[in-house]
Amino acid sequence: DARVTQTPRHKVTEMGQEVTMRCQPILGHNTVFWYRQTMMQGLELLAYFRNRAPLDDSGMPKDRFSAEMPDATLATLKIQPSEPRDSAVYFCASGLVLGSLGEQFFGPGTRLTVL
Amino acid sequence: QKEVEQNSGPLSVPEGAIASLNCTYSDRVSQSFFWYRQYSGKSPELIMSIYSNGDKEDGRFTAQLNKASQYVSLLIRDSQPSDSATYLCAVNAKGYGNKLVFGAGTILRVKS
Repeated sequence: DARVTQTPRHKVTEMGQEVTMRCQPILGHNTVFWYRQTMMQGLELLAYFRNRAPLDDSGMPKDRFSAEMPDATLATLKIQPSEPRDSAVYFCASGLVLGSLGEQFFGPGTRLTVL
Repeated sequence: QKEVEQNSGPLSVPEGAIASLNCTYSDRVSQSFFWYRQYSGKSPELIMSIYSNGDKEDGRFTAQLNKASQYVSLLIRDSQPSDSATYLCAVNAKGYGNKLVFGAGTILRVKS
């Protein structure tokens, strides 16, 4: 049963602390996405990797957020320092792009609360 | 104008009825269209993909695509209370393979 996995599922931290979220994409998928979802903004794309190379991180606050794929089985999203406005659900999704087509499959998400 | 627009709802339908969800998009070169279902507190779940004009059926779900009019719709036949969720329309963004732009979602409520 191929699924995207994410850890941790829940994180409560204090303002100023570093937060690291991890994602294991579905084996064989060549694209990984990080999204943030809030009631006010909906689903926002933060970063997009293809074959582990970052293609687009224009949706990510560069001063505090960073995204990496150290290998094909791990993607990370870091926030340093965290702020209360970062409280949201962070989703990782993976997909196999063929030409211009391609579906994305979402992980269960990390619910982040910054106090 | 938003790139992908959906009526936020809530759309209320009685159990057993057909629920019709609509989505319009602004980028004429979009080629891939998706419907995701999201239950409260859960992650989006892909339920339909459509790439060509016309209808695509999968069980109780039918996706309809009209590229000339730039709209995509989702029909749910014999709606069940378990279909109550937020339905997200997603369209691939220009020039980025499977990078998707999501609509804000339509809340569907099926009343028993």
